[in-house]
Amino acid sequence: QKEVEQNSGPLSVPEGAIASLNCTYSDRGSQSFFWYRQYSGKSPELIMFIYSNGDKEDGRFTAQLNKASQYVSLLIRDSQPSDSATYLCALKTDSWGKLQFGAGTQVVVTP
Amino acid sequence: DTEVTQTPKHLVMGMTNKKSLKCEQHMGHRAMYWYKQKAKKPPELMFVYSYEKLSINESVPSRFSPECPNSSLLNLHLHALQPEDSALYLCASSPAVAGARETQYFGPGTRLLVL
Repeated sequence: QKEVEQNSGPLSVPEGAIASLNCTYSDRGSQSFFWYRQYSGKSPELIMFIYSNGDKEDGRFTAQLNKASQYVSLLIRDSQPSDSATYLCALKTDSWGKLQFGAGTQVVVTP
Repeated sequence: DTEVTQTPKHLVMGMTNKKSLKCEQHMGHRAMYWYKQKAKKPPELMFVYSYEKLSINESVPSRFSPECPNSSLLNLHLHALQPEDSALYLCASSPAVAGARETQYFGPGTRLLVL
């Protein structure tokens, strides 16, 4: 079983709709969770981080964390064509530098 | 300012060449990282430096040699690479290593092609 699981997609979302991305993880000791956006040929860009159970909102993005279910999600409201990218879920399970990445979910926003 | 810079943007090298990748940050971060990313795969951690000392080496072949001359600068020296080493090499930094909440910020990457 992979440590961090994401659907690879592509997730096709009409412009203006909500994109919902999911990420499950196996290590119950995971402490912090990150969402990165990566455009094709570019480097990962941090969108959100979340440490506590519940929701965290930043603009059109909402991260949701449920540690009991070992599940973290990212909602993108009012999706725009510029949101078309691969979204990487990452987490830290200890105090050291290693980020565990999921394989990424490709999102395609269609006009 | 969360900027990490990397040079060069692109690099083509032969298997007998020696080259270096450079990474710089001026955010006062004390942890710096090298990642390797192949197409359609997530980044894979190679090395972690904490306070200019190597703290994690993810069993990377010796043809990759990291160096951290000071707290702002990180180099990756390349020698006798193989074609399968062609990838996007990413540098990242974070305020510190220790602490689950330290957020890593990535540079733009160097796209390396080994012929």
